Formats: sequence, structure tokens, C-alpha cells
Amino acid sequence: SAVISQKPSRDICQRGTSLTIQCQVDSQVTMMFWYRQQPGQSLTLIATANQGSEATYESGFVIDKFPISRPNLTFSTLTVSNMSPEDSSIYLCSVVDRVYGYTFGSGTRLTVV
Amino acid sequence: DAKTTQPNSMESNEEEPVHLPCNHSTISGTDYIHWYRQLPSQGPEYVIHGLTSNVNNRMASLAIAEDRKSSTLILHRATLRDAAVYYCIRSSNSGGSNYKLTFGKGTLLTVNP
Repeated sequence: SAVISQKPSRDICQRGTSLTIQCQVDSQVTMMFWYRQQPGQSLTLIATANQGSEATYESGFVIDKFPISRPNLTFSTLTVSNMSPEDSSIYLCSVVDRVYGYTFGSGTRLTVV
Repeated sequence: DAKTTQPNSMESNEEEPVHLPCNHSTISGTDYIHWYRQLPSQGPEYVIHGLTSNVNNRMASLAIAEDRKSSTLILHRATLRDAAVYYCIRSSNSGGSNYKLTFGKGTLLTVNP
């Protein structure tokens, strides 16, 4: 299955600032997904990132707050903009493979102070 | 809407079998049943998936009811390393946005030594 490297693994940020999270995959994949996991909660899909097109956002998530880039088939970034303490969560990227199903990165633990 | 129902928590003893139930009474004919688990401080990892027939792999077995409205994940001999949140997810493999996984709350499995 695919191997995902996600950076940073954790960060503490000041409110009002932005953080860009990187997701690198060791193979070319068509679809990448970004999830958020708030403390003690399950995972919520933020958006689907396809190479060569705009990301598709789920209800409750907007591009201005969570801009996503997908410059090629092995890389994507998620930016959390104008952060507030409510954005404190674990952010995970994921890819899908027909044989191995979905693979998740280890996540970025974000704390906004 | 996760479209699956699981018990919030279950307990097991080490080296005993564990049967984790999942109800998906509104499943469509093209929906696969996926199981993922999330160990503490890690991203979810793939366990098993199936469509109609029972499935076995090195991690677990998946027993799917004949009417496909429920399924059971079977861990044949629980170990302490199996303590995790287990997610039962319906997903269509027909492509496009149907590839996305919608997570419910899952079942927190505790394994007692």
C-alpha cells in the first residue's frame, strides 16, 4: 500500500496566523482526501483534492478557510487560515487504492493558542 | 450521516475472540463494507473490506449477513495491540466522489490482559 509522509507532525500556532500542512505520497494517486479530527471526535472529511482541478469541499468547509493545492499526483497541501482555538484538531491526509483501500497519514496535531 | 450503527464500546480479554457488530440496514447493492481501526495517536488503518461474501485476511475476518444489512468483524485472538476504535463504513467503489469515506463514531475496543 501507499506510504504517506505528513508534515509537520505537530505545531502550536498563534490565533490569526496560518499553517500549511504537507502530504507526500510515495506513488502516484488520483484522489487525495483531507480529514479533520477534533478532540475526542471521529474523522470529518474536509475536501477531496484532485490533480489538475479545484478541490471539492464538504458542507461546512470553504476554500477561503482551508485552501488546498494539488500540484502533482504525489503531493498536496492543506492550509488552515486565520486560525482560532476552534481549529485545534488533528488533520490527516488520505489516499485511496483499488487494491489496498485507503491509507492515512499519521496526522498533524494542531494547537491554536 | 455515517449510515452505519455500531456499539459505542466493547471489552474483550486477551487471546479471546472478539465479534464487533455493525448495522447498515440501508446499504445499497453497490456499497462495500469497510472496516478501519485507529490506534491511539495514529491515523486510521485498513482492516478489511467486502461486498457480499465473507472475507478473511491476516488481521481479521468479515462476516456479512445474507441480506447485507449487517456485518461482523471478527478478531480471532485479541491482543493488547488490538485496543483501538474500530470503524465500520459503507462506501461505493463506483468512483468519483463516492470514493470518500464517511466515518461514524466507531466502537472503542478495550482488551483486558
